[in-house]
Amino acid sequence: EPEVTQTPSHQVTQMGQEVILRCVPISNHLYFYWYRQILGQKVEFLVSFYNNEISEKSEIFDDQFSVERPDGSNFTLKIRSTKLEDSAMYFCASSDWTGNGYTFGSGTRLTVV
Amino acid sequence: GENVEQHPSTLSVQEGDSAVIKCTYSDSASNYFPWYKQELGKRPQLIIDIRSNVGEKKDQRIAVTLNKTAKHFSLHITETQPEDSAVYFCAASTGSARQLTFGSGTQLTVLP
Repeated sequence: EPEVTQTPSHQVTQMGQEVILRCVPISNHLYFYWYRQILGQKVEFLVSFYNNEISEKSEIFDDQFSVERPDGSNFTLKIRSTKLEDSAMYFCASSDWTGNGYTFGSGTRLTVV
Repeated sequence: GENVEQHPSTLSVQEGDSAVIKCTYSDSASNYFPWYKQELGKRPQLIIDIRSNVGEKKDQRIAVTLNKTAKHFSLHITETQPEDSAVYFCAASTGSARQLTFGSGTQLTVLP
């Protein structure tokens, strides 16, 4: 079964540093997403990406965040000047154009110290 | 925007009993309602979904019902087993905005 892969699985960074989280969506999917889950809380939408541009973003996705598809396979989330409250599990997901086959990656646990 | 409420937050059942988790949504334009199972430290995994043109869907021990008029949908697990223990999330999405809005989750514990 096709999978969404994410790297790294765990990242520890110092407050104020920049981090890049990486994802490889399922190859024939057209929509890509980032979600965040703070420990013990629900999964929250950050951003969706289609046709090389952001299609939707939430209030959480402010100027601190950016996304990019640097090549034909990777999809990245950059967090600039990290804060303690950015500590969370970040999930990448992808789906086909209908929203079917919505699949999550295994997540990157980001710890800001 | 969409708001999804989920109840109960915790649910304990005896092995073999049924479990029911309920969600309500606010946006009448929502037309896709998936349910995810999440084990500790793992990714959310889709277990069943339903679209708004269907009232009920069943997959072995799992079923989902949807009441569009009342804007609520429910997950039913029959003959529960200890491996069903996990956090279950409901979610809702409209067709155009493919983002999912999640409920707050239900910690299901199946007691042997």
